[in-house]
Amino acid sequence: EPEVTQTPSHQVTQMGQEVILRCVPISNHLYFYWYRQILGQKVEFLVSFYNNEISEKSEIFDDQFSVERPDGSNFTLKIRSTKLEDSAMYFCASSGDLLNEQFFGPGTRLTVL
Amino acid sequence: KNEVEQSPQNLTAQEGEFITINCSYSVGISALHWLQQHPGGGIVSLFMLSSGKKKHGRLIATINIQEKHSSLHITASHPRDSAVYICAVSGTGNQFYFGTGTSLTVIP
Repeated sequence: EPEVTQTPSHQVTQMGQEVILRCVPISNHLYFYWYRQILGQKVEFLVSFYNNEISEKSEIFDDQFSVERPDGSNFTLKIRSTKLEDSAMYFCASSGDLLNEQFFGPGTRLTVL
Repeated sequence: KNEVEQSPQNLTAQEGEFITINCSYSVGISALHWLQQHPGGGIVSLFMLSSGKKKHGRLIATINIQEKHSSLHITASHPRDSAVYICAVSGTGNQFYFGTGTSLTVIP
């Protein structure tokens, strides 16, 4: 069964460093999403991506964040200069169509020290 | 402000009980999602609906667009149903809003 994968599963970084979180969506999916969940809090939408461009982003997704689909398979989230409050679980998801269910990856736990 | 409200926040049930989790939302939506998050953190999509009712095994989801309300029902609950159930809505602008989740524990 096809699944969304994410790497790494856990990333530890120093404050101010850049991190890149990687996702491989399901191969024939067209819509891609990043979410984050701070420990003990609700899941929050970051960004949606379609046709090689951002289709929607939340207030959280400020200039320190960027997304890219560098090739036909990977979908990345870059955080340029990490802050302590960026520590969270980051989930990637993909869907075949705007009104289809989303398939979530297992998440990357980011710890900023 | 919370665009999506869920109730209850926590729920404990005996095995076999019928369970209902409620979700109300305040924004215009294109679809409503019910998600399940296991203790390990993984998220699984259970339902996506924009009208009416959907059923999958022991799970049933309903939505009333006029009342901006959805319910998730679990029939014949089982300890393996223990998880956090999250209601989320796709806004009309492809924005997503999440509820805080309902933590369900089913006791054998």
